[in-house]
Parts: sequence; structure tokens; C-alpha cells
Amino acid sequence: EDQVTQSPEALRLQEGESSSLNCSYTVSGLRGLFWYRQDPGKGPEFLFTLYSAGEEKEKERLKATLTKKESFLHITAPKPEDSATYLCAVRISGAGSYQLTFGKGTKLSVIP
Amino acid sequence: DAGVIQSPRHEVTEMGQEVTLRCKPISGHDYLFWYRQTMMRGLELLIYFNNNVPIDDSGMPEDRFSAKMPNASFSTLKIQPSEPRDSAVYFCASSKLADQETQYFGPGTRLLVL
Repeated sequence: EDQVTQSPEALRLQEGESSSLNCSYTVSGLRGLFWYRQDPGKGPEFLFTLYSAGEEKEKERLKATLTKKESFLHITAPKPEDSATYLCAVRISGAGSYQLTFGKGTKLSVIP
Repeated sequence: DAGVIQSPRHEVTEMGQEVTLRCKPISGHDYLFWYRQTMMRGLELLIYFNNNVPIDDSGMPEDRFSAKMPNASFSTLKIQPSEPRDSAVYFCASSKLADQETQYFGPGTRLLVL
């Protein structure tokens, strides 16, 4: 069965303290790995899509990387406004399949 | 653009009652997705539509759940009868054919079944 596992479940950082979130996956036929940010009481907001091992994408203080088994979301010098739950999701091969399978997320808290 | 619109934002009902959740996707989008989010199971896809046609409903929990998309600007998710275990946040998302993998989520409907 395809699985997406995120770790840690929760992470507390001091403002400016860089760290990484992990998303490991066991799927056959990965066609894309996605990162979303979710603020309390809101829907997930798209951040990145990665398609192949070695690919990297950046947005402000966030950088996402992908290997054959996992993805990392690196947060450099985080600020309190980066506090949110970060979700990763995978899309697998299959004719007409646009389903995303989500992990349970990492809740990030950045303390001033 | 107003983004994906969902109503109601909160719903409290009693077990056995019918619940109807509504979604207006972003104008021009070709795909519409219904998700359910709980602490235990995370975010799960229930069903998705392409050009108003249901494509995959394998995530719908059981026959008590049904979804329709009568036109490109409106979809409903109905639960009849509702049960306490249906309590969750239900999200609607949409995407366009040219960028079908970027899904835009609505604010969700928080459902509590007593």
C-alpha cells in the first residue's frame, strides 16, 4: 500500500533557528511530490511540486528537495509567520489519476 | 478572483439528519476535488470531477455519501443520514487543465454531528 510519512509530527524552533522537515514515501510510480502549507482554520496552500530525484525548488525561506525515497523542506532563519502545518502529498502513476495522497503533516511553531 | 468558496463554514447537526455541503470552484477550473480532514486520518480524497463528470469516487466512505456537480460553478457533497464519525473538516479544491496538479483549496466546512 502506498504510504506517505512525515516527521516530526511537531517542531518548535526559535526565530532564526534553521531546520528541516521530512517526508518519506513508499509509492510505485511517483509522478510528483507536493508541499502545502496549512494555517489554522484554513485550507492547504500550494507551495511546491517536485518531479524527479535531485530536483530543488525555493521560495523565500523555504527550499524543497527530493530523493528517490524522501523529500525535505528546509526552513532557513524562520520567522514567527512561518508557523503553520506543512503537508506533503504524492501523485502516483495511473491513467487519468490526479489523486493526491497526503501525509499527516508537521506542525511548525516558530517562537520569537 | 475570489478563490474556492465553500458554505456553510460551520455545521452542527444531529445524528440521522441530512447534511449538504456546497462548493463553488474557481472560474475556469476543470477539476474539482472533495477532501475530508481528521486528526486520525489526515487529509483524504473523497471524490473528484473533471468537467462536471465524476472520475473517481473510490474514496467515498459509503453509500451515505454522495456528490454532484450539476454545472461548472457548483458542487455539493451530501451525507444522509449523518453519523458522529462523519465529524471532520471537509475541503473542496479545484485546478485547471493547464496546471492540473496545482490544487487550490477552499476554507473548508467544519462539520460536527452530535
